[in-house]
Amino acid sequence: AQKVTQAQTEISVVEKEDVTLDCVYETRDTTYYLFWYKQPPSGELVFLIRRNSFDEQNEISGRYSWNFQKSTSSFNFTITASQVVDSAVYFCALSERNAGNMLTFGGGTRLMVKP
Amino acid sequence: DAGVIQSPRHEVTEMGQEVTLRCKPISGHNSLFWYRQTMMRGLELLIYFNNNVPIDDSGMPEDRFSAKMPNASFSTLKIQPSEPRDSAVYFCASSLVLNTEAFFGQGTRLTVV
Repeated sequence: AQKVTQAQTEISVVEKEDVTLDCVYETRDTTYYLFWYKQPPSGELVFLIRRNSFDEQNEISGRYSWNFQKSTSSFNFTITASQVVDSAVYFCALSERNAGNMLTFGGGTRLMVKP
Repeated sequence: DAGVIQSPRHEVTEMGQEVTLRCKPISGHNSLFWYRQTMMRGLELLIYFNNNVPIDDSGMPEDRFSAKMPNASFSTLKIQPSEPRDSAVYFCASSLVLNTEAFFGQGTRLTVV
């Protein structure tokens, strides 16, 4: 069965610090998809990124970067020079090829960025 | 596009009453999902439709819960009768094709007293 673990339940940093959110997953499928979503205080879930299991290339988007390592079953998310607006709960999620788009979410990491 | 639209945004009801949550997916998306978010259980999938057909409803907690998708642009999640433990935020999401990202609505916060 698929499982996503976000061991950090809460992280607090000061603005401009870099912060890495960890995500470890378990799956038996050889083809799977990994996602990160952001849930700001307003409550909606905002899609950030999707990675395919056959593409381990890291990705950078502005201050955000993602490090996908199949060898350790990890898909970590780094925010560089954090800002107060980054304060939110961040969810890592997994879907298996044979399970359609049925996302299994981790428990989330609450990030608090203080001015 | 307007995104996934859910209504109502907030619902307060008394135990035993019927509750209906509504969702309009993004136009052209053929997969629709209902999720529930609680402090205790996090985000959990309730049911998933593909081309208006329910594919997997194993996450629906009990027979009190039912979901329909009569057409490509509308879905409902009904709870009858409602109980206090049903209090949660219910999200609807849609995606274009299989194994692509799902886009979520703003959620319905349900409180059963």
